[in-house]
Amino acid sequence: EDKVVQSPLSLVVHEGDTVTLNCSYEVTNFRSLLWYKQEKKAPTFLFMLTSSGIEKKSGRLSSILDKKELFSILNITATQTGDSAVYLCAVVIQGAQKLVFGQGTRLTINP
Amino acid sequence: DTGVSQNPRHKITKRGQNVTFRCDPISEHNRLYWYRQTLGQGPEFLTYFQNEAQLEKSRLLSDRFSAERPKGSFSTLEIQRTEQGDSAMYLCASPTDQSSNTDTQYFGPGTRLTVL
Repeated sequence: EDKVVQSPLSLVVHEGDTVTLNCSYEVTNFRSLLWYKQEKKAPTFLFMLTSSGIEKKSGRLSSILDKKELFSILNITATQTGDSAVYLCAVVIQGAQKLVFGQGTRLTINP
Repeated sequence: DTGVSQNPRHKITKRGQNVTFRCDPISEHNRLYWYRQTLGQGPEFLTYFQNEAQLEKSRLLSDRFSAERPKGSFSTLEIQRTEQGDSAMYLCASPTDQSSNTDTQYFGPGTRLTVL
């Protein structure tokens, strides 16, 4: 069965800290990996990763994929209270291109 | 705004009633997905359409659930004889362009179902 595991499940830090969120996966037909941010609404897209070792960056957020070790990380530097959210990792499965999600990491940034 | 709309946004119903949700995806895209999200969990895949054809259904989709996509545009998800365990957020998603290689799915705002 396809599985995506995120860690930690919950993280509380102070504004200005740097955080690293982890996502590991075991799937039979990997196509790509996506990161989403979810506040009190539907998930919003952050990054799509298809190749190992190529960092994707958007402002203070960055992400990288390791297809040999089957994991990805999402880094957020100089965190702000607006970064508080659940961060979801999802693997795209070949064929239907459906998403298999992890359970999410709830990030809380305290002022 | 992702361009994917869902109605209603909230639905409260009594156990045993039927409910129907609607999704209007990003216009003209051939792929449309339904997911369900319960509290504290990531979304789980329910079903997938390519145009009007329903090509895959999860084991989560019991025989009380049915989905359609007439004419390959909007889609509906119906739950018959609702149970309290059906309470969840139901999310619809669609890629943004016609390329079959576009993996990124954009989500609608969801329909939050509460079964009393």
